[in-house]
Amino acid sequence: AQSVTQPDIHITVSEGASLELRCNYSYGATPYLFWYVQSPGQGLQLLLKYFSGDTLVQGIKGFEAEFKRSQSSFNLRKPSVHWSDAAEYFCAVGPIQGAQKLVFGQGTRLTINP
Amino acid sequence: EAGVAQSPRYKIIEKRQSVAFWCNPISGHATLYWYQQILGQGPKLLIQFQNNGVVDDSQLPKDRFSAERLKGVDSTLKIQPAKLEDSAVYLCASSLEGAPFTEAFFGQGTRLTVV
Repeated sequence: AQSVTQPDIHITVSEGASLELRCNYSYGATPYLFWYVQSPGQGLQLLLKYFSGDTLVQGIKGFEAEFKRSQSSFNLRKPSVHWSDAAEYFCAVGPIQGAQKLVFGQGTRLTINP
Repeated sequence: EAGVAQSPRYKIIEKRQSVAFWCNPISGHATLYWYQQILGQGPKLLIQFQNNGVVDDSQLPKDRFSAERLKGVDSTLKIQPAKLEDSAVYLCASSLEGAPFTEAFFGQGTRLTVV
């Protein structure tokens, strides 16, 4: 069955430091992969997505992610975090059984130290 | 462009009571989703509509949950009777028709607490 694992429940980094959030997936074919961000009290906002082609994808807010088929991973990175990046980050995979539907990971909560 | 609107933002009810949530998607978006997000977990799809027809409700607990999308626009999600384990944030999302995976835009959600 399709699944997404985000191994880190909570990560703390200092402002200005680099960031990498891990995402591993289990999927029977070539997946579509997504990263969403959820700020407190807000809905989810799409940061970036991978469908095909270049395995390094650029997103909004200075984020990027790299698709590595051999490792079944789609890790999210940012070279220098800002205090406003503190939020919950979700990795997702689809389609599921041919339907435009996503399976989400459990999320990684990012805290930024000043 | 107005986003996905949901109401109420918060709701507290006692177990066995009923509750309803409302969602108004972005104008022109044919696809509407309801997700349940339990604390500490990622969102789980409950039901997906294409216009006013149900595309997927495989994870909707149909003995207590129901949803409708009249006229292919607004949608309501109802729980009757509520259980303690229904405490969660209920997120509505919408997207343009098309494949594959046009971006889904999410509302702020309704936080339900069942006591």
